Amino acid sequence: GAVVSQHPSRVICKSGTSVKIECRSLDFQATTMFWYRQFPKQSLMLMATSNEGSKATYEQGVEKDKFLINHASLTLSTLTVTSAHPEDSSFYICSAHGAADYYEQYFGPGTRLTVT
Amino acid sequence: GQNIDQPTEMTATEGAIVQINCTYQTSGFNGLFWYQQHAGEAPTFLSYNVLDGLEEKGRFSSFLSRSKGYSYLLLKELQMKDSASYLCAGMDSNYQLIWGAGTKLIIKP
Repeated sequence: GAVVSQHPSRVICKSGTSVKIECRSLDFQATTMFWYRQFPKQSLMLMATSNEGSKATYEQGVEKDKFLINHASLTLSTLTVTSAHPEDSSFYICSAHGAADYYEQYFGPGTRLTVT
Repeated sequence: GQNIDQPTEMTATEGAIVQINCTYQTSGFNGLFWYQQHAGEAPTFLSYNVLDGLEEKGRFSSFLSRSKGYSYLLLKELQMKDSASYLCAGMDSNYQLIWGAGTKLIIKP
């Protein structure tokens, strides 16, 4: 099946710094990638949808200037958490689907972000 | 509005059968998904239903009734490794997944 990787798997950063998370589709071209956030014991919350070569579409309540998303190629999307605060600590998961497989999203393994 | 409802937690015994229910309301409908998520890991795909009826895949089966806005995931011959959260998600007319909060399944020996 299709494989999506995320890097890093875990990151600890200090309050006020920025952190970049990469999401890569390894064996297919991802026309659309999704970024989710999941707090403990809660479901996935969609943050934004990014299409290659265009600006991301952010969900209501998600600050686009704080969570910068770049989908510069068909295999790579990045999420940058700018000026991170402890409340940004969460599990960030990306998913992707190809042009032909619109109905199935392939998930990356997730990135655990801890802001101290 | 769009909404997915499923029980918060269920407990079952190893070797038994458990059914996890899900009701959904979406703007348009392009299918119903079930995912399994172990603690600290990303979700993994279990099933996809877009037509009414039962889809069987080994020990796991998924059922859909579009007229009732209802689905269930049936797990047979439960194993300890099946302890996980099971997420129900409906796909709306924009092909966006609307996620339920997940059902935490606890398997006891």
